Amino acid sequence: SQQGEEDPQALSIQEGENATMNCSYKTSINNLQWYRQNSGRGLVHLILIRSNEREKHSGRLRVTLDTSKKSSSLLITASRAADTASYFCATVTGANNLFFGTGTRLTVIP
Amino acid sequence: KAGVTQTPRYLIKTRGQQVTLSCSPISGHRSVSWYQQTPGQGLQFLFEYFSETQRNKGNFPGRFSGRQFSNSRSEMNVSTLELGDSALYLCASSFAGAAMWEQFFGPGTRLTVL
Repeated sequence: SQQGEEDPQALSIQEGENATMNCSYKTSINNLQWYRQNSGRGLVHLILIRSNEREKHSGRLRVTLDTSKKSSSLLITASRAADTASYFCATVTGANNLFFGTGTRLTVIP
Repeated sequence: KAGVTQTPRYLIKTRGQQVTLSCSPISGHRSVSWYQQTPGQGLQFLFEYFSETQRNKGNFPGRFSGRQFSNSRSEMNVSTLELGDSALYLCASSFAGAAMWEQFFGPGTRLTVL
């Protein structure tokens, strides 16, 4: 399967702490995208990182990409209760299809 | 700017019936993608339309089809419904394609097949 896998499946942290989620995939990619989903609702696009990029920042979010290890990580700094959600990575292959990972369920405790 | 809208939000059907879901993209967006989300299979790509043409297709049976109109609005149709088609169906629009452009998702249509 080309589907990515997030690790861990679930993560629980205190407000103010940092949260790190990892995504591993199997095939070569054009880019990798991270999404957030609150309580089974629509997804929100967070960051797109291209295969020739190694790191990208957006506010409190930092994404890294290691194509040699076929892995990416999403770091959320200074977490807030509102960050509680499921986070998904999606890989874009040469055929420009998106393959979503299984997701990490993040709980931020106030 | 209005977001992506999907109708209906909830739908209950019985096995063997067919269903049509509708998606209105953000104004100016020409690409619409459809996804199925289930607890067991997660998020799976169904297909993408761009300028009324299907550009990409996921690994779903022919019972799943879609189309896009000249105003970029899109519909997806599922014929001969099966219990396993119960899912949240999400539509997303982007300026020129899900692969390289930010996607904006609608709230989804929750389909229950009895």
